[in-house]
Formats: sequence, C-alpha cells, structure tokens
Amino acid sequence: EIVLTQSPATLSLSPGERATLSCRASQSVGTYLAWYQQKPGQVPRLLISDASNRATGIPARFSGSGSGTDFTLTISSLDPEDFAVYYCQQRSNWPPALSFGGGTRVEIK
Amino acid sequence: QVHLVQSGAEVKKPGASVKVSCKASGYTFISHTLHWVRQAPGQGLEWMGWINAGNGATKYSRKFQGRVTITRDTSASTAYMELSSLTSEDTAVYYCAKDSYYSMDVWGKGTTVTVSS
Repeated sequence: EIVLTQSPATLSLSPGERATLSCRASQSVGTYLAWYQQKPGQVPRLLISDASNRATGIPARFSGSGSGTDFTLTISSLDPEDFAVYYCQQRSNWPPALSFGGGTRVEIK
Repeated sequence: QVHLVQSGAEVKKPGASVKVSCKASGYTFISHTLHWVRQAPGQGLEWMGWINAGNGATKYSRKFQGRVTITRDTSASTAYMELSSLTSEDTAVYYCAKDSYYSMDVWGKGTTVTVSS
C-alpha cells in the first residue's frame, strides 16, 4: 500500500508570500497525484489533478509539479483566502487503491 | 450542474451498522465511479472505497475490508455506503465524491455519523 507523506505539517506565511508544499510517495505513482484544499467546516475542493493540471475555476497562482515519488504544490502569492489545509491524494494501479497524505496546514504568520 | 446529495446525520450505538446514501444529479450516473471518504474530528481525509456506478464493481481500502459495503441503485442514481460493527473511532463525517480520472472533482456535503453509547 502506497503511503503519502506531506511536509511540512504546518507552514506559517504572510499574505503575498510564496508557499511550497511537498508530497512524497513511498513508491512511484507516475503522475496520478491530486491536490485538494479544505477550509474549516467546508468540503474538500479539487485544485490539481494528474500532478499538474489545474481544475476548473482554480486560480493560476496554484500550480503543481512532479512525477514518480516527489510532488510539489506551489501557491505563487498567498491570498488571504488561501489559508487552509492542503491534502495530496494518489491512485495506484496495483493493487488498485487510493490514499491521502496527512495534510499541510497553511496558516497566517 | 453536478450535485451529490447525502442523507442526514446519524447517531448509532457501538456494534451497530450505518448506511449512508448519496444521490447524484447533473451527469450520467453510470459513467463515473463514486468514492467514499471519511474524516474523523480534527483529522485528515481517509479513503474508504469506490464503486464503478456502471458495472457495480467495488474496491475497498484494506483498513475497511470486511466491514464496509458500497452499493448503487442505477434507477435512483444513488450510491450507498454501509459500515458495520461501529465503534467510537468510526465517529466522523462521511463524504461521497465523484471520480474524475481518479481524482475527486465533486463532493457531497458530508454526513455526520456519531457512535456513542
């Protein structure tokens, strides 16, 4: 079973700063990696699929990169509405399964 | 627009089972897999399993294998998740989510399941 490890657990930044979130897989997942944003009391929202494809309506300041085992979500300039928890999620072909990382909280410094 | 409408909150006693429904609208139900994901209070997201709404094939997380059953009724465009042998550790919000190339692009609002004696 593939394990996703996200780092750091918490990122303390100011609005306007650049955020770099990491997600590492215990074995290769190709580009089957997605990123989600979740604000308190809200449903998770898909940001990025297939490692680097922005979902519909997601601002261009969000970008994803990586393949294999190492992935990055970058928020180029933090907007006040971006302070939230971010999760990565992978799909494996064999055995077929999905899993989520433990999350990174982006908080206001 | 695509919507997933879930059933209401449940309170169950330890050892009981719970069945949560997820009614889809705005897209062709049988064309997409549906996932079930849960989130315990203050914790992260946990994938439970999926169902291919077209052929009914399922895949469950190893953690829940033997305790979870996901089904669907194509005539009602509805998927169901049943979890048995509940303990307090199953207290969580349970989400259904529509698959989009193995990411989840539309989510239900969640169903709170509380397990308490």
